[in-house]
Amino acid sequence: KQEVTQIPAALSVPEGENLVLNCSFTDSAIYNLQWFRQDPGKGLTSLLLIQSSQREQTSGRLNASLDKSSGRSTLYIAASQPGDSATYLCAVIGGANNLFFGTGTRLTVIP
Amino acid sequence: DAMVIQNPRYQVTQFGKPVTLSCSQTLNHNVMYWYQQKSSQAPKLLFHYYDKDFNNEADTPDNFQSRRPNTSFCFLDIRSPGLGDAAMYLCATSRDRYEQYFGPGTRLTVT
Repeated sequence: KQEVTQIPAALSVPEGENLVLNCSFTDSAIYNLQWFRQDPGKGLTSLLLIQSSQREQTSGRLNASLDKSSGRSTLYIAASQPGDSATYLCAVIGGANNLFFGTGTRLTVIP
Repeated sequence: DAMVIQNPRYQVTQFGKPVTLSCSQTLNHNVMYWYQQKSSQAPKLLFHYYDKDFNNEADTPDNFQSRRPNTSFCFLDIRSPGLGDAAMYLCATSRDRYEQYFGPGTRLTVT
């Protein structure tokens, strides 16, 4: 069964710093990988989707990369802001059309 | 705006009293999902509909059922809620295996 791990579990950075969140998965036979953010008590907001044939996707200050062969993805956030504080979840889409979620990284950006 | 809507946002039910949660979407996506998320945990897929085909996860308790009367609506029925079923329930939609869009969630409390 697919297992998705995110490191670190929590991260605190001062405002303005660039940062990288890591995601690893055990089964490289994936269709897509999706990054989400979740604010406390709220639903999930989709940030980026990387299809299995792609290496990276960019949206504004966010850049996500995918290395299927090594089972890794990273989410790069440039010039972090206090509004970026949230839990970030990565999820891989498997053959049975389900999402396997990582454990999440709780990010705090300190003003 | 096209979106995924969940009602109610907060639901309180008594131990053993059946409850139904509702999800609707205006995205015309063919796949709809139900996830359960407990505090500080990643969302866990309960089941999904791919068009009209129902796909149950192997470890989803029989206490949880779902209905999809048409493309736009999907319901989650909990036949006899226990205290352990208190959680956030998230509905999501996608076009085939592509990007999943989540609703705001329904927080279920069992008293």
